[in-house]
Amino acid sequence: AQSVSQHNHHVILSEAASLELGCNYSYGGTVNLFWYVQYPGQHLQLLLKYFSGDPLVKGIKGFEAEFIKSKFSFNLRKPSVQWSDTAEYFCAVRPSGGGADGLTFGKGTHLIIQP
Amino acid sequence: DAGITQSPRYKITETGRQVTLMCHQTWSHSYMFWYRQDLGHGLRLIYYSAAADITDKGEVPDGYVVSRSKTENFPLTLESATRSQTSVYFCATNPTSSLNYGYTFGSGTRLTVV
Repeated sequence: AQSVSQHNHHVILSEAASLELGCNYSYGGTVNLFWYVQYPGQHLQLLLKYFSGDPLVKGIKGFEAEFIKSKFSFNLRKPSVQWSDTAEYFCAVRPSGGGADGLTFGKGTHLIIQP
Repeated sequence: DAGITQSPRYKITETGRQVTLMCHQTWSHSYMFWYRQDLGHGLRLIYYSAAADITDKGEVPDGYVVSRSKTENFPLTLESATRSQTSVYFCATNPTSSLNYGYTFGSGTRLTVV
């Protein structure tokens, strides 16, 4: 079975700082990868996804992520964060090739942006 | 409006009681999922359904029952609630087995078992 590890449980940054949130997955085959964001009191929203092709994926709100197959990683980045980026961020994985047994989520990273 | 509706938004129940969380979608998506979100555990899949009358267990199904008699509804029942089931529950849908769109999540139900 697949698993996802998010390295940082809590991250505190100042506005305009650069952001990188780590995500590593464990699975022997090809995967689809996702980053979701959950703003305080809200439901999860899709930030970006990787299926195939260009390993650098751009999402909404200036976020991007790079899939490095050799490292089993899919780190989320943003060059300059804003106070409104304060949220919980979840990395998720699912084996590609069909089936619908659900996404496997990491435990999340709580990001706090200080003004 | 189209979308996913979860009800209730908040629920407090007593240990041992049966409680049902509702999930309704207006898109006729085939796939529906129930997740629970707990601090330190992220989201864990409870049950999922590929179509009406087709359901399957996820990672943490014990103590829960689901049904899907109609495509648009996917209720989650706690047969005899326990304190360990205090959590935030999210329903999600997907139109097909492909994840080109990612999942769409509902607003969640915060359940407290006392």
